[in-house]
Order: sequence, then C-alpha cells, then structure tokens
Amino acid sequence: QKEVEQDPGPLSVPEGAIVSLNCTYSNSAFQYFMWYRQYSRKGPELLMYTYSSGNKEDGRFTAQVDKSSKYISLFIRDSQPSDSATYLCAMSNQAGTALIFGKGTTLSVSS
Amino acid sequence: EAQVTQNPRYLITVTGKKLTVTCSQNMNHEYMSWYRQDPGLGLRQIYYSMNVEVTDKGDVPEGYKVSRKEKRNFPLILESPSPNQTSLYFCASSLSASGQPLLEAFFGQGTRLTVV
Repeated sequence: QKEVEQDPGPLSVPEGAIVSLNCTYSNSAFQYFMWYRQYSRKGPELLMYTYSSGNKEDGRFTAQVDKSSKYISLFIRDSQPSDSATYLCAMSNQAGTALIFGKGTTLSVSS
Repeated sequence: EAQVTQNPRYLITVTGKKLTVTCSQNMNHEYMSWYRQDPGLGLRQIYYSMNVEVTDKGDVPEGYKVSRKEKRNFPLILESPSPNQTSLYFCASSLSASGQPLLEAFFGQGTRLTVV
C-alpha cells in the first residue's frame, strides 16, 4: 500500500463550481499536511498547510484533515479557469527530510 | 526575487554520457533536495541535503550522485545515464532545519531529461 493515495482524475468542472480534492494516507505519524499546486511546465508551489486535524481557510481554498480516517481534502469555492492545474497533496516525514507526495489530481476549469 | 534555478531546462543525451544538472537557490536555505516526477508514479525523492557537506539518499538514489560544497548549490550528477532515467527532475529548497517538519519547499522550474 502506498503511503499516500490520490485519485489522478482528470477532473473537469465549469467555472464557479465547488471542487473537492482528496487524499488518503497510511502512516498515522504524519502530522503536517500540505497542498501544492503545479501548473503545466512549472514546479510545484505551496498552496497551504495544516497541522493535525481540523480546517484551514485561505480565500477560496479550504483544507481539511481528518486524522481518525487518515483523509485530507482541499475544497475550492467559485473555481476559476486560472485554477486549472495539478493539485498534489503532501506530507512531511517525521525526520523532516522529505515530502511524501500523492500522485496529483489534474483539474480543468472551463469558462 | 527568491528562486530556485535549474539548468538546463531541457536535455537530450545518449546512454552512458555523464551529465550534470545544476541547481542554485538564493534564499540561504539549508535544506535542498532532488525529486523526479514520472507519470503514474508522482514525485519521488532522489537525494537531499540538510547542510553543506551533508547529503543522504532518498527513495530512488540509484544511478545518481550529488554534492553540496556550497550552501546555494546542489548539483545532480548522472555518471552513466540510462533510458530509465528519462524523467522530469525538480530541485527544491526549504528553510527547514534538521529535526523540524518540512513544510514549504520552493521548487525550481524543472529539467526534462531524455536519455536515448
């Protein structure tokens, strides 16, 4: 079983839709959970991170962590064509030496 | 501007011909790392460095070497490239200190390597 599982999609939605992106993980020791966004032909960039369980909101983006289910989510409200990208969930290993990434979900928002 | 710079962006080479991909960061970060990204496999760590002269293997180190002689530079060396090293490579750096969680990593633009 992979440490981090993420449905690769692709996911296509119309502009203005609410998007839900999800990951599951197997290592209960993970405590820091991140979402990176990767545009085509670019490197990943950090969108937001959360510590332990709970929600965190940043503008149109909300990250949610449920440690009891080992499940994390990223919600995008009022999606825009500029949100079209690959979204990668990631977790820090305990030693702080590596990010463990999901395979990424490719999102396309049409106008 | 804070950035991680990789060169070259694109490279086509032949099997067995040694090559180096350079990586430089201007943020005075102690942590640097190399990842490769492959379809269906995602991003996998090759090597990382917590500081000058301190390097260690990641998940997929076979066929690669690194060095960290200066804080800002972390080159990736393929001494005898093979076709299975055809991939998209990313260098990353972070403020993360030893023993602290790795949160925000800054990635370069990527190097697309093709080995024929």
